[in-house]
Amino acid sequence: AQKITQTQPGMFVQEKEAVTLDCTYDTSDQSYGLFWYKQPSSGEMIFLIYQGSYDEQNATEGRYSLNFQKARKSANLVISASQLGDSAMYFCAMSSAPNSGGYQKVTFGTGTKLQVIP
Amino acid sequence: DAGITQSPRHKVTETGTPVTLRCHQTENHRYMYWYRQDPGHGLRLIHYSYGVKDTDKGEVSDGYSVSRSKTEDFLLTLESATSSQTSVYFCAISESEQGGRLNTEAFFGQGTRLTVV
Repeated sequence: AQKITQTQPGMFVQEKEAVTLDCTYDTSDQSYGLFWYKQPSSGEMIFLIYQGSYDEQNATEGRYSLNFQKARKSANLVISASQLGDSAMYFCAMSSAPNSGGYQKVTFGTGTKLQVIP
Repeated sequence: DAGITQSPRHKVTETGTPVTLRCHQTENHRYMYWYRQDPGHGLRLIHYSYGVKDTDKGEVSDGYSVSRSKTEDFLLTLESATSSQTSVYFCAISESEQGGRLNTEAFFGQGTRLTVV
């Protein structure tokens, strides 16, 4: 079974500083994808970044980077140069299908609420 | 933006009544999912579909049923709504492979806020 753990319910960061949001995962599947979503107060789910389990390089998308440590089963999101508009809920998620056959599920963590302080 | 439309966007219903939420996609994605979002729980999978007429349960499926008669439509039915089903419901779609990437991300609808009184 897949499991995503986000241990930081809430975090504060000063504007223009970098922040790391933690995510650990558990799966027995050999192939999987890891990603992060942003959910602002308006409620929509915005896809930020993707990391494949076989990718050797850490993914980057603008100010977002994913620190992927496969052996530790962690997929932390790093936001550089925080902006006020980064204040939102952030969800880590994983997509995989069982090695033995079966169908793809997407599992989410409980989220981290990030607040950027001016 | 991925073409996913949820309807209705907001609904208030009475305990014991049946409710159906609709998700419509224009992306021809294989997988469709229904999640509920509650404070402190993140998004929890209710049911998902891996093809027309092919569905399976998620982690919180009790009290819910689904149907997928066409690739583009995935319906979620609360057979007899209860106050514990007051929540925000999200539909999502994904593909197992896209653009050379495996196990790709899900794209979400705008959500449906359901209140059961």
